[in-house]
Amino acid sequence: EVQLVESGGGVVRPGGSLRLSCAASGFTFDDYGMDWVRQAPEKGLEWVSGINWNGGSTGYADSVKGRLTISRDNAKNSLYLQMNSLRAEDTALYHCAREFCSGGSCYIEYWGQGTLVTVSS
Amino acid sequence: SYVLTQPPSVSVAPGQTARITCGGNNIGSKSVHWYQQKPGQAPVLVVYDDSDRPSGIPERFSGSNSGNTATLTISRVEAGDEADYYCQVWDSSSYVFGTGTKVTVL
Repeated sequence: EVQLVESGGGVVRPGGSLRLSCAASGFTFDDYGMDWVRQAPEKGLEWVSGINWNGGSTGYADSVKGRLTISRDNAKNSLYLQMNSLRAEDTALYHCAREFCSGGSCYIEYWGQGTLVTVSS
Repeated sequence: SYVLTQPPSVSVAPGQTARITCGGNNIGSKSVHWYQQKPGQAPVLVVYDDSDRPSGIPERFSGSNSGNTATLTISRVEAGDEADYYCQVWDSSSYVFGTGTKVTVL
């Protein structure tokens, strides 16, 4: 059974930093690209960042570029999101996600339950 | 950037058919994927590549895509189908999600 378990969320002041982690199990981690998708309270889904199977290629939404950094450790079956210079608009539930890409299209096969990040003074 | 537009809400009686649209410029040229999200839960993939269903998703869920509109159809709606539904495409190396539709079962 595929399991994605996020941790590291919390309350942080504007301008502060957090590091999110995602522990993956139930599949061969380094066979898949991974993503972070967030959902602000009572709002829709927003893709944040993605990374390919070996960490050699990453992508970011314009809203987080230069402030958030995605990485992975295949030896530990773990995905990370380093969050710096946080803003109030970064407040959201952050989901770890396993993607599947084929024929020029990608979608999210599995989602974690998420970890809540609150940016507030 | 690419924009996907969904109606905010759809209401349907049990046993009837719900149709949720997802509008985008020439969306018929892209693969569209659909997710169901119940309150307090993570999203679940219900349709991928316009009309395919993952294992475990009932045949009541189907999809189509043509022109400027993709559609998720839920046949014989049940109370347990009440949820938010999101369409999604892959565009310019990023995920684009629709605005979301809340399906209410009357």
